[in-house]
Amino acid sequence: AQSVTQLDSQVPVFEEAPVELRCNYSSSVSVYLFWYVQYPNQGLQLLLKYLSGSTLVKGINGFEAEFNKSQTSFHLRKPSVHISDTAEYFCAVSFTGNQFYFGTGTSLTVIP
Amino acid sequence: EAGVTQFPSHSVIEKGQTVTLRCDPISGHDNLYWYRRVMGKEIKFLLHFVKESKQDESGMPNNRFLAERTGGTYSTLKVQPAELEDSGVYFCASRGRSSGNTIYFGEGSWLTVV
Repeated sequence: AQSVTQLDSQVPVFEEAPVELRCNYSSSVSVYLFWYVQYPNQGLQLLLKYLSGSTLVKGINGFEAEFNKSQTSFHLRKPSVHISDTAEYFCAVSFTGNQFYFGTGTSLTVIP
Repeated sequence: EAGVTQFPSHSVIEKGQTVTLRCDPISGHDNLYWYRRVMGKEIKFLLHFVKESKQDESGMPNNRFLAERTGGTYSTLKVQPAELEDSGVYFCASRGRSSGNTIYFGEGSWLTVV
């Protein structure tokens, strides 16, 4: 069985500070890993994905994530956040490309 | 290229009533998915269409939910009769051959059952 854990439900951070949103997963097989973002009153937008290859993945809006197989983690990072990054972030795994398993989401609030 | 569109964006209905949600996938995408997020919980898979066929409906909560995709284009998700616990956001997503393992989500249909 697969599951995704996002340990932090809410993360407040000051503008221009770095941020890390944590994601751990459990799976007995290889998985594809994704981060999606939901801005207020909008749908889910793909930030980045890991399918294979380099474990450091760069996405849109300056975000990146690193796949760590030994720790079964896929933490999302940004060196300097902006007000516009305030949103809810979802980590997801899939091993078929069809059924996705999502975490409960992390609400990021950037404080001016 | 238009994205995945969903209608209605918001719906408030009384317990026992019927609601039908519609999803128009990205043109040419054979794979269509329905997901749901109940408040505060994770986003959960409901079902997967390949063209007009149901490939996987293991996530459908009960027989009050009926999904269709006649003609393999748009899809509808009907809840009849609606219960309070059906409140949440219903996301539709689609995937095509060119998008690989990436699925594209719509903005969601927010359903409130009172």
